Amino acid sequence: DQQVKQNSPSLSVQEGRISILNCDYTNSMFDYFLWYKKYPAEGPTFLISISSIKDKNEDGRFTVFLNKSAKHLSLHIVPSQPGDSAVYFCAASGTSGSRLTFGEGTQLTVNP
Amino acid sequence: DGGITQSPKYLFRKEGQNVTLSCEQNLNHDAMYWYRQDPGQGLRLIYYSQIVNDFQKGDIAEGYSVSREKKESFPLTVTSAQKNPTAFYLCASSNPYNEQFFGPGTRLTVL
Repeated sequence: DQQVKQNSPSLSVQEGRISILNCDYTNSMFDYFLWYKKYPAEGPTFLISISSIKDKNEDGRFTVFLNKSAKHLSLHIVPSQPGDSAVYFCAASGTSGSRLTFGEGTQLTVNP
Repeated sequence: DGGITQSPKYLFRKEGQNVTLSCEQNLNHDAMYWYRQDPGQGLRLIYYSQIVNDFQKGDIAEGYSVSREKKESFPLTVTSAQKNPTAFYLCASSNPYNEQFFGPGTRLTVL
């Protein structure tokens, strides 16, 4: 059973516009959420995280929003740049331990 | 420089052979993880270890084995029992805030 889902396999946006990547989860025990960025043939790199006690966390061009009642989080990238083109994974962890559960990923393409 | 190293970057194996993938970290992290990524799929957890001399199965442990004799090292053995071993393998370690940091990966191809 897929506890973390990214329903959009791909997203294409114009340079300078906003990119919004979405993620849904089903496990109400999840209390910490992370976004990772991955280029082909490389390991994912950590981007930004949010605890369930917050509904928003911002770091430069990246903002993560958490809607606990809807079990939904989103990553906003503003303004989008061609170098942002990569696969983005959301991940979640709960109080039971340190393991992360990952979504399937969304391929973001930012067109010049 | 602190980080996670995985070797080799590319690995070829004949069917029926066991192969061991290396993962080393100098971040002083207690927890380490092995994931597998297949084309178009997310990361699936194979094994993880929260402390030296202890490890737990993840979601797809069948056909794999691990050891954690040292804090810095968490090698993964892909055994001949793994039916579909060709994949991209990623090792990670996590800080106390549960932020996982990944190595560059090893692409294993079974010939």
